[in-house]
Amino acid sequence: NAGVTQTPKFQVLKTGQSMTLQCAQDMNHNSMYWYRQDPGMGLRLIYYSASEGTTDKGEVPNGYNVSRLNKREFSLRLESAAPSQTSVYFCASTASTSGRYEQYFGPGTRLTVT
Amino acid sequence: QKEVEQNSGPLSVPEGAIASLNCTYSDRGSQSFFWYRQYSGKSPELIMFIYSNGDKEDGRFTAQLNKASQYVSLLIRDSQPSDSATYLCAVNGYRGGKLIFGQGTELSVKP
Repeated sequence: NAGVTQTPKFQVLKTGQSMTLQCAQDMNHNSMYWYRQDPGMGLRLIYYSASEGTTDKGEVPNGYNVSRLNKREFSLRLESAAPSQTSVYFCASTASTSGRYEQYFGPGTRLTVT
Repeated sequence: QKEVEQNSGPLSVPEGAIASLNCTYSDRGSQSFFWYRQYSGKSPELIMFIYSNGDKEDGRFTAQLNKASQYVSLLIRDSQPSDSATYLCAVNGYRGGKLIFGQGTELSVKP
């Protein structure tokens, strides 16, 4: 997980509570992503940011908001948590130049909504 | 139809054999293709990427891409028990854009 940090590592919320998941990278990558992973579902893209100042919806954006605070930081907010949002959340950052591609994932946040 | 599909497995191979993992995708405009390895309880790790039709080799790993058939595969030669993990295929339409994952294939290499 070199260079991508996520906080918190674990969180338990009650239905209706809000929280923000934090992600930061120190590799000067332009693109950052938020995914959720549920058993048997692979990784599903929630939101991504191709560059500082831009964000776009992924496959499953409902119930989430994001902020690309600066080039390093990309946060994910749950405004009113629901049990369906119980999942493992991964942040990732990428950089691509001709012939070379780098991508790193953070260690994940395990979220339980009761 | 899911944008990226993989056989969920589990795929079981004996130690030393070749493991073959397959992935199909629906978007003909896709340009970049990736394989990740994920150990249980850990985050995914990028192991291979391929942009052009044909084969790309890196050590014991070979990625194969056939854009006409919308098919990408990963071969692992001389499989080791330490290769036991879930392998995720991912596809995107342009570099730095939306990266979509398949559901993953669980590989088990038996000693």
